[in-house]
Amino acid sequence: AQKITQTQPGMFVQEKEAVTLDCTYDTSDPSYGLFWYKQPSSGEMIFLIYQGSYDQQNATEGRYSLNFQKARKSANLVISASQLGDSAMYFCAMREGPGGSTLGRLYFGRGTQLTVWP
Amino acid sequence: DAGVTQSPTHLIKTRGQQVTLRCSPISGHKSVSWYQQVLGQGPQFIFQYYEKEERGRGNFPDRFSARQFPNYSSELNVNALLLGDSALYLCASSFWDDRGEETQYFGPGTRLLVL
Repeated sequence: AQKITQTQPGMFVQEKEAVTLDCTYDTSDPSYGLFWYKQPSSGEMIFLIYQGSYDQQNATEGRYSLNFQKARKSANLVISASQLGDSAMYFCAMREGPGGSTLGRLYFGRGTQLTVWP
Repeated sequence: DAGVTQSPTHLIKTRGQQVTLRCSPISGHKSVSWYQQVLGQGPQFIFQYYEKEERGRGNFPDRFSARQFPNYSSELNVNALLLGDSALYLCASSFWDDRGEETQYFGPGTRLLVL
C-alpha cells in the first residue's frame, strides 16, 4: 500500500486566491512526521512546512498552513494568497517513528503540479 | 549560510559505466540522505548516513553504494549503469530542532542521463 497518496495530478488557481493540495497517509506507527516540499522546474526540493503526529495545533508558516486531520489520516496543504511564483510541483512526505530518536527516511507521494494564473 | 551542494549538476553516461555523485551538507549537519527521483514520480530513498555510518538503505540493488567522509560530505556510486538509472539524484542533510524533530533539506540535485 502507498504510504503517501496525492490524488490531484494538477491544480489550477488564480493569483491571490487560496488553494488546497490534498495528501493522505498510511502508517501504523503512532509517532510520525508529515512534510510538504515545493519543487520548481529547477529540481531543488524546498522545505515548506512540518507537522508532528502529536502536535495539537495545525502548523503554519507564512502563507502555508497544514490542515492536519489525524483520524482521517490527511495532511492537506493550504496556500493562501497564491502568487505566480507558487507555480511548481508540490510533494507530501512522511517520516515514520519519533524524530528525536531515529533517523527517518522520507516517503514521498507522486506530487501535485500547481499552476497559478494571473 | 550555504545550503546543500551537489556536483555535478548534469551528467551523461552510457550503459555499463560507473558514476560518482557528490554532496556537501549544510554546515553543522551530520546526516546525509540520498534519493532517486525518476521523471514523473516522487523521490525514492536510497541511503542515509549519520556520523559516517550507514543508518538506512532503501530497496536498491548492490550496484548502488555510498559513503560519508569525516567532514560529513558524501558520495553516491552507481556501477554498471542501466537506462533505468536515468533520474534526478537528490541529496539531503538533516537538522534536529529543540524538540528533536528532524527536517531534511535538499540540494539542487544531479541529473543523470544514461544512454
